[in-house]
Amino acid sequence: NAGVTQTPKFQVLKTGQSMTLQCAQDMNHNSMYWYRQDPGMGLRLIYYSASEGTTDKGEVPNGYNVSRLNKREFSLRLESAAPSQTSVYFCASRISGSRNEQFFGPGTRLTVL
Amino acid sequence: TQLLEQSPQFLSIQEGENLTVYCNSSSVFSSLQWYRQEPGEGPVLLVTVVTGGEVKKLKRLTFQFGDARKDSSLHITAAQPGDTGLYLCAGFSRGGSNYKLTFGKGTLLTVNP
Repeated sequence: NAGVTQTPKFQVLKTGQSMTLQCAQDMNHNSMYWYRQDPGMGLRLIYYSASEGTTDKGEVPNGYNVSRLNKREFSLRLESAAPSQTSVYFCASRISGSRNEQFFGPGTRLTVL
Repeated sequence: TQLLEQSPQFLSIQEGENLTVYCNSSSVFSSLQWYRQEPGEGPVLLVTVVTGGEVKKLKRLTFQFGDARKDSSLHITAAQPGDTGLYLCAGFSRGGSNYKLTFGKGTLLTVNP
């Protein structure tokens, strides 16, 4: 049981390049999330998917797109990377019920030059 | 927009000391969670508090949810170097069929031997 996995772990891009961050979970969770974490800013929600086939914007969606490929996989795409998108990106999935616990992946550290 | 204010932002103490971290908001949350994050890893859930006034203990950690479900505190007794990490509070709310976690900016705790 791997939990939430993310690839790649590190990435350096030049301004204007595109890339896709991959996320997969093997816990059969319906909901999945993408966050970015910046120093002094905490975790901010970019996009989320409440269930397979649905996606919604979070707090900071500009410059990003997402795809919920199936129940397991939720990808985040940067079409034209900007230095302001330098951050650590975390994917999470959520268990339903009273605990509403989110399980996080190990993160992708992205630098845009 | 719901906000969670955490204080202090940084805390450096000696092994054996006690400490309290605060998480405050003007909004009411369905539940409140505390996560701990170590360098290079994603946050890991420590506890979820659901009922106003609830107190939960996890070994040397005591978590309290305010009566009005707007604030919470984390108290650590006899801190150890292994407690070092970033502590994040997160308020859980529901809007229609959507669930949302709002994170505080975190408290970076360093426990010196």
